[in-house]
Parts: sequence; C-alpha cells; structure tokens
Amino acid sequence: GNSVTQTEGPVTLSEEAFLTINCTYTATGYPSLFWYVQYPGEGLQLLLKATKADDKGSNKGFEATYRKETTSFHLEKGSVQVSDSAVYFCALSEGRYGGSQGNLIFGKGTKLSVKP
Amino acid sequence: KAGVTQTPRYLIKTRGQQVTLSCSPISGHRSVSWYQQTPGQGLQFLFEYFSETQRNKGNFPGRFSGRQFSNSRSEMNVSTLELGDSALYLCASSLGFDEQFFGPGTRLTVL
Repeated sequence: GNSVTQTEGPVTLSEEAFLTINCTYTATGYPSLFWYVQYPGEGLQLLLKATKADDKGSNKGFEATYRKETTSFHLEKGSVQVSDSAVYFCALSEGRYGGSQGNLIFGKGTKLSVKP
Repeated sequence: KAGVTQTPRYLIKTRGQQVTLSCSPISGHRSVSWYQQTPGQGLQFLFEYFSETQRNKGNFPGRFSGRQFSNSRSEMNVSTLELGDSALYLCASSLGFDEQFFGPGTRLTVL
C-alpha cells in the first residue's frame, strides 16, 4: 500500500541554520504531495504542496520539489528561526486533477526545535 | 472566513462508554475527513464524507462511525470505548478535490 517515510526526529538546529527534512514515498499512480506543520496544541496547517512531478512548492521560506524518479519530497529552508519550532508532517494523497483527496497518508512527523 | 471548528475540544470518558465528536467545516466545503493522532501510530485516516456520503474509509473497526448532514457538518461516533482510543481526533474540510484544512482537534481521554 501507499506509505510515507520521513526523517525521524527530533531535529535540533541553531537559529539561521539550514534545514532539510527528508521525505520519501511509495505510491501507485500519481499522488499529490504535501507538507503540513503542527504547532503545540494546534491542528495541522498546510505548509506547501505539489501536485505533479518536478513541481516545486514553496511558502514562508520553505520549499520542496516533487521528484518522481527518487520518489522524494524533501523539505528545505535556508535559514530557520525559533518560530519554526514545530512538528512537520509529509503526506500524500491519491488522485490528482480532481481525484479524491480525502484520504491523506502521513509520515510519522519530525519534531524540529530551533535554539536562539 | 471562519475556519474548521471542532467540539468539544476536550473529553474524558471511561471504558465502555460511547462518544460523539462534532466538526463544522469551512463554509462551502463539502468534504469532511477524520483522522486519529496518537504518539504510537501517528496520524491515521478514519473516513471521509462528501455530500453526505462516505467516500473513503480507513482501516478502523466498526466501533468508529460517522455521518455528514446536509449542511456539511459531520459527526463521528466511537462506541464501546477502549483505552487505546485515547487520541487527538482531527477533522479536515475541503472542497472535495483540493487541499484539506484542519481543525484544532478534540482531545479524547479514555480512563
């Protein structure tokens, strides 16, 4: 079945360091890929998405590129801030261009802590 | 535009009881999905409703059920609660073919 594997946390960085959180997936067909972020005590917020191969999603300085050849969607940010401390989830959904996206499959999550 | 709301935010129940959680989607959204989040299993999909019909279902026992009303509001019900049902239950809404927007969740504790 479809699955998502991401960097096991926790990840601790100093402010202004470079961030990479790896995400690889197994899926049939052409899934859409997402990164969600969860702050303490809150639900999930969509950070960025990509719906087809070679698409790059970006938001708030974060970016990720949909690589079909390596089945990856790694999250990167050039300079992290203390406010980026949160749990990050990589997810996929089956179907695109109108297909059902009601069923998101998530990775286990990566807890990021950024120290001043 | 108001976001996804979930009620109640916190619940404490005892084993064997049943519970009903409610989710109000973003206005205009016709799809509501439910997820269970636990430290051990992570985020797992329960089911999705679209226009009052269950469109997708995850791998959970029949004790977990849901429904959607004509105004797109959704409820999920868990009967005969077990200790392992303690979790954060998240609801997400969407137009049905696009990104999902999550609510803050309902924290259920089963004693």
